[in-house]
Amino acid sequence: AQTVTQSQPEMSVQEAETVTLSCTYDTSENNYYLFWYKQPPSRQMILVIRQEAYKQQNATENRFSVNFQKAAKSFSLKISDSQLGDTAMYFCAFKDDKIIFGKGTRLHILP
Amino acid sequence: KAGVTQTPRYLIKTRGQQVTLSCSPISGHRSVSWYQQTPGQGLQFLFEYFSETQRNKGNFPGRFSGRQFSNSRSEMNVSTLELGDSALYLCASSLEAINEKLFFGSGTQLSVL
Repeated sequence: AQTVTQSQPEMSVQEAETVTLSCTYDTSENNYYLFWYKQPPSRQMILVIRQEAYKQQNATENRFSVNFQKAAKSFSLKISDSQLGDTAMYFCAFKDDKIIFGKGTRLHILP
Repeated sequence: KAGVTQTPRYLIKTRGQQVTLSCSPISGHRSVSWYQQTPGQGLQFLFEYFSETQRNKGNFPGRFSGRQFSNSRSEMNVSTLELGDSALYLCASSLEAINEKLFFGSGTQLSVL
């Protein structure tokens, strides 16, 4: 069965710093999708970034980028120039036919 | 464009009762998926509907069911509620499939007493 592991339950960084959130997954599939979602205190989940497994190039969305290592089954999220509004719960997710979420990393951006 | 709307925002029920939650997707979106979020289990996929048909299902008992109407609105039903069903229930919509960008609602917080 597929699993998604986020090894950092909670992290804190100073505003403007760069932070990396870890995610590993386990699958025997070759074609799948990976996502990072953000859940602020408002509870509404927001897609941060998406990666298709067949694409070797790492996805980037403004200050957010991923380091996708398919062989290692690793999918980390890097947030550059962190802002107070980045404070949220971050979920890594894997999808082939069903979507599976990690337990999340609570990220605090400190002023 | 209006976002994904879930009603009600909060709900309190007692054990043994049943509950129906509603989700209105973004206009034009045909896929609606449901998730249960609890502190212990995290976010778990319940099911996905597309064009009124259940396309995929998570590992939940038969007490959890859903349906989708012709206008893509979806309802989720939980029968014979248990204390462990207390959770935030999130709905998400997408154009075609849940590997695309998912747009989430703000959820329904269900408390079972």
